Amino acid sequence: NAGVTQTPKFQVLKTGQSMTLQCAQDMNHNSMYWYRQDPGMGLRLIYYSASEGTTDKGEVPNGYNVSRLNKREFSLRLESAAPSQTSVYFCASTDSATNEKLFFGSGTQLSVL
Amino acid sequence: SQQGEEDPQALSIQEGENATMNCSYKTSINNLQWYRQNSGRGLVHLILIRSNEREKHSGRLRVTLDTSKKSSSLLITASRAADTASYFCATDYTGGFKTIFGAGTRLFVKA
Repeated sequence: NAGVTQTPKFQVLKTGQSMTLQCAQDMNHNSMYWYRQDPGMGLRLIYYSASEGTTDKGEVPNGYNVSRLNKREFSLRLESAAPSQTSVYFCASTDSATNEKLFFGSGTQLSVL
Repeated sequence: SQQGEEDPQALSIQEGENATMNCSYKTSINNLQWYRQNSGRGLVHLILIRSNEREKHSGRLRVTLDTSKKSSSLLITASRAADTASYFCATDYTGGFKTIFGAGTRLFVKA
């Protein structure tokens, strides 16, 4: 039972490069989320998808785009990476419309030079 | 920001002692959750308390919720070195579809 799988685990980019972070869950969850975690700031919500076919902005969406490819997969794209996007990125999912009990992936550590 | 705030930011105790962490939030909530994060790992759900509940227990964990003060506390009894981690409160706001996390409390339990 894999749960939430994120790839890659580590990535180094140069300023201006683009990349896509992949996330997949095998729990048949409706809702999926992307968070970033910076030291001393906890987790901040970037984008979320309440159900297949819908996406919405969170607290810090600027510089990111997302795609809910199907019920299992939710990707996060950085079109033109900036040093301010250096962070640890977490994908999460939940099966409840009330957002109870998020299940998290193990994270992607991204450095933008 | 609708972020909850944990207090203290860091806590260091001896094994066997109790650890108490507090969380305050800003607006009406559906529920409040506590998560644990071990270094370099993703967050793991510990316990959820609904807005109409005042106290909940799970093993060595005790959570209280005071909606009039918009605050919650997490008590870990008889702490162990393995409890060393960061602990986050997370709130699901009424009318929202997002779970918002606080900045966390770093707990260090000395053996």
